[in-house]
Amino acid sequence: QVQLQESGPGLVKPSQTLSLTCTVSGGSISSGSYYWSWIRQPAGKGLEWIGRIYASGSTNYNPSLKSRVTISADTSKNQFSLNLSSVTAADTAVYYCAREDDSGIYQGGIDPWGQGTLVTVSS
Amino acid sequence: SYELTQPLSVSVALGQTARIPCGGNSIGSKNVHWYQHKPGQAPLLVIYRDNHRPSGIPERFSGSNSGNTATLTISRAQAGDEADYYCQVRDSSTKLFGGGTRLTVL
Repeated sequence: QVQLQESGPGLVKPSQTLSLTCTVSGGSISSGSYYWSWIRQPAGKGLEWIGRIYASGSTNYNPSLKSRVTISADTSKNQFSLNLSSVTAADTAVYYCAREDDSGIYQGGIDPWGQGTLVTVSS
Repeated sequence: SYELTQPLSVSVALGQTARIPCGGNSIGSKNVHWYQHKPGQAPLLVIYRDNHRPSGIPERFSGSNSGNTATLTISRAQAGDEADYYCQVRDSSTKLFGGGTRLTVL
């Protein structure tokens, strides 16, 4: 079955760019059937959808983060990445990568998810 | 912008039925999905498209959606059901989560 694993620095300085990578196994991100997403959870708060990328390279972003977010994909490595610029302490969160199924059986549901990685923004 | 409203917490006695509401304007016209999230674990899809269970999810989990409220129902609640539960919908080309509900099994 498809599995996702996040990787990247656990500590980022304020004003710098947060960069994370999600490695997908058990399925191809270029299959064209799914979107590949980033979601985060600040400590003590709920889930926040960040954005996603399709096999074609098209992207959608949360309007509240759009000016700072870039999601890209490397199909040769079966990976997709998140860049979040100009970070502040408010961006400290557990970041998850996940697969969205908009056109298949789930019709908008998100499954599976990676285990998540904590990123702290601090000097 | 569209908003989803969930109570912060719901309590249920062991073995009884828990109901977790998710409110939204005409949410009955949308597909609603539910996730179970335990500390230190990845969120788990427990209900998709209002009332469908993914493979491996117990029949005790069910969902409904009508009007302005979608509801996740957990029958015969167990200690292992203690978790945060989130509803989610598709809003145009983005995804939106409710604020989450902490389920406590007494």
